[in-house]
Amino acid sequence: DTAVSQTPKYLVTQMGNDKSIKCEQNLGHDTMYWYKQDSKKFLKIMFSYNNKELIINETVPNRFSPKSPDKAHLNLHINSLELGDSAVYFCASTHTTSGANVLTFGAGSRLTVL
Amino acid sequence: GENVEQHPSTLSVQEGDSAVIKCTYSDSASNYFPWYKQELGKGPQLIIDIRSNVGEKKDQRIAVTLNKTAKHFSLHITETQPEDSAVYFCAASPDYKLSFGAGTTVTVRA
Repeated sequence: DTAVSQTPKYLVTQMGNDKSIKCEQNLGHDTMYWYKQDSKKFLKIMFSYNNKELIINETVPNRFSPKSPDKAHLNLHINSLELGDSAVYFCASTHTTSGANVLTFGAGSRLTVL
Repeated sequence: GENVEQHPSTLSVQEGDSAVIKCTYSDSASNYFPWYKQELGKGPQLIIDIRSNVGEKKDQRIAVTLNKTAKHFSLHITETQPEDSAVYFCAASPDYKLSFGAGTTVTVRA
């Protein structure tokens, strides 16, 4: 009964490859996010979708492309992977209400680029 | 945008002692301040939150205080236990976008 599930949990790949990470939530939330956590544990927001529409798009290389086929899914596709893309990527979701967002995070997807 | 600073970056406490983590934020429009706990190999989990119309909130051994004038808020953990060892993140939000602090690694020594 995982609320926010991400696949794969681990991903090891070579520089220059293209890879995707998938996220699904079964909480009925209307907003989903991708966060990147670097080796120093800093959590940086990348994207957010509300009801399939992009609402946050931080300064992220355009090699990163999110896709939300429906409000329960938010996938992240990364082209031409670079060493600096190595990190843990977290998906999160929330039901947007006025003034607060309680985020539910997935367990993370650890990407290692060799 | 919102900028959240968190201190200290690491904190080691003896079991049974208290732990305090402090955060400051920059955007006076921020009105929601959650704290997340991240255990090894897991995603962050909400442990307590406070809104701008409240100065203090307590839930068993954890409490959060907010000073809107000074733009700072703190997490207090009393009677620490080994299972409190984790990375703790503060965050602030004026709307649907949460900005996180850099995290505090808390180690509780038995």
